[in-house]
Amino acid sequence: SQKIEQNSEALNIQEGKTATLTCNYTNYSPAYLQWYRQDPGRGPVFLLLIRENEKEKRKERLKVTFDTTLKQSLFHITASQPADSATYLCALAPNSGYSTLTFGKGTMLLVSP
Amino acid sequence: DAMVIQNPRYQVTQFGKPVTLSCSQTLNHNVMYWYQQKSSQAPKLLFHYYDKDFNNEADTPDNFQSRRPNTSFCFLDIRSPGLGDAAMYLCATSRGDREQETQYFGPGTRLLVL
Repeated sequence: SQKIEQNSEALNIQEGKTATLTCNYTNYSPAYLQWYRQDPGRGPVFLLLIRENEKEKRKERLKVTFDTTLKQSLFHITASQPADSATYLCALAPNSGYSTLTFGKGTMLLVSP
Repeated sequence: DAMVIQNPRYQVTQFGKPVTLSCSQTLNHNVMYWYQQKSSQAPKLLFHYYDKDFNNEADTPDNFQSRRPNTSFCFLDIRSPGLGDAAMYLCATSRGDREQETQYFGPGTRLLVL
């Protein structure tokens, strides 16, 4: 069956360090993968999209990698800040063209001062 | 600012009493989605509309219905809420772009069933 796995344990890091979150998937051949941020009691907010033919994408302090051989995406936040504390969700689009997204459970990131 | 609005933010209902959640958007997007999210779980897609075309997920209970009377509005009807339906309900929109489907979420409605 298709699975999207994100580390269910919270990631605790110190301010200024780089946070790395993992998204693994099985039995998918996604056309693209997205990362969203979700704060408690709020809807997810889109951060980055990476396509199957892209290895890396950057946006300010954020970086996403996509390895279709390992079936894995890594999400990095450099110079992390307490305001980065949130849950980060990955989402896959199974097909090229129009399709719905399937979300992972997300990983909570806690950045301490 | 263009946005996705959900009302109410919190809804309390009684077991078995029908409830309607509403969503509106000013983004003029073609697609509107309803998700159910329980604590520490992934958002679970219930159904979506591509324009007027309704798409139901195979495992969405019959207890859940939806209406989209126009481009801007979409409603989620829960005909007979059970205790297991207590959750956050998220509305989202997207352009219906064939190259990517970035979704824009509303703030959610938290449903409590007594």
